[in-house]
Amino acid sequence: DGGITQSPKYLFRKEGQNVTLSCEQNLNHDAMYWYRQDPGQGLRLIYYSQIVNDFQKGDIAEGYSVSREKKESFPLTVTSAQKNPTAFYLCASTLFPGAIDTQYFGPGTRLTVL
Amino acid sequence: EDKVVQSPLSLVVHEGDTVTLNCSYEVTNFRSLLWYKQEKKAPTFLFMLTSSGIEKKSGRLSSILDKKELSSILNITATQTGDSAIYLCAVEGGAGGTSYGKLTFGQGTILTVHP
Repeated sequence: DGGITQSPKYLFRKEGQNVTLSCEQNLNHDAMYWYRQDPGQGLRLIYYSQIVNDFQKGDIAEGYSVSREKKESFPLTVTSAQKNPTAFYLCASTLFPGAIDTQYFGPGTRLTVL
Repeated sequence: EDKVVQSPLSLVVHEGDTVTLNCSYEVTNFRSLLWYKQEKKAPTFLFMLTSSGIEKKSGRLSSILDKKELSSILNITATQTGDSAIYLCAVEGGAGGTSYGKLTFGQGTILTVHP
């Protein structure tokens, strides 16, 4: 079955630690996205990648970093510079950048900073 | 700054009622407006609207875009408890040359349908 997997489902982090959230897709999609969702708010775009080895900052990129070395994978690192990292993180992909109606979302990772 | 605003933020109705959810936007280089339903985790796609005045319909759900008013509505008729969810509006667009696939989301409308 094709889809997007995110791991882990739940993640706990101590203040000052960097953590990496995994996102893998086997849909052969070119574009991938990371969003953050806080309670009572919609999704906010952190980073997106339209093609391998290229990525763009979204609206709230500060304190985050990404890489896109393989088409299938788009890991997100939450660094200690991110002031309020506790949130629900969603990864998504689209067949190609303009095909936004093909966007698939992963099941999400809930990050809690202790 | 690109902005998408949804109203109401929450809505409680009884089964069988009809609801109308609103979405207004200020986004440069508008490409499309999308509606999603989010129940527990990942949002699921409902509609994509690009042309003004053309209604899209799927069962009891329908949506229309008004580019002149920079807004869209999502209608749900004969609501059921299974319609309880967060409904998200998102607009594709934004400044710069890489606006394809770049979505700005509204805060969402939390819909609760009581039996």
